[in-house]
Amino acid sequence: DADVTQTPRNRITKTGKRIMLECSQTKGHDRMYWYRQDPGLGLRLIYYSFDVKDINKGEISDGYSVSRQAQAKFSLSLESAIPNQTALYFCATSDRGQVEQYFGPGTRLTVT
Amino acid sequence: SQQGEEDPQALSIQEGENATMNCSYKTSINNLQWYRQNSGRGLVHLILIRSNEREKHSGRLRVTLDTSKKSSSLLITASRAADTASYFCAQPISGNTPLVFGKGTRLSVIA
Repeated sequence: DADVTQTPRNRITKTGKRIMLECSQTKGHDRMYWYRQDPGLGLRLIYYSFDVKDINKGEISDGYSVSRQAQAKFSLSLESAIPNQTALYFCATSDRGQVEQYFGPGTRLTVT
Repeated sequence: SQQGEEDPQALSIQEGENATMNCSYKTSINNLQWYRQNSGRGLVHLILIRSNEREKHSGRLRVTLDTSKKSSSLLITASRAADTASYFCAQPISGNTPLVFGKGTRLSVIA
């Protein structure tokens, strides 16, 4: 089984809908991250969490919220989806004291 | 804003040739990492180089770091079709995490 899983893998939704993307990890890492990737723009950090009680905004947090339900689970919500939130979303984890990050397979979100 | 910028944006080479990608960054760092992304998939960590290192090797990968020029390069030797992917450099915002990624270099290796 994959160490970092994301659900759903693909989602099409309409403008104004609330949507949640979920991330689970079995690596036992404390730190989790959400990124979005747009063509030609690389990855941009949305939110990150260093432990269950810690949530931090990233570069592009507007329009998004997160919940760290447990050490292993970190979900990303779009309260009212808009078309320019169409992107590929990645969850990642890292261990305290380590610098490399481990990525999930991504969720392709389309907002129509 | 992004910390690093990769150059070139795209690179196409023949199998067996070497591929060189460059990364420039803006502020002081304590480490720099390179990741690979196969089309539409999650990123995979390739190699990390610390600020007190100038060169590092891992298999067919060679990474250099020049902190005076705020730049790094990734060399893939004897490239294979399977090396076709996008390659990103990344540096921590502060301390060791979180990472800020460049826009990537898209490498195509033609068999």
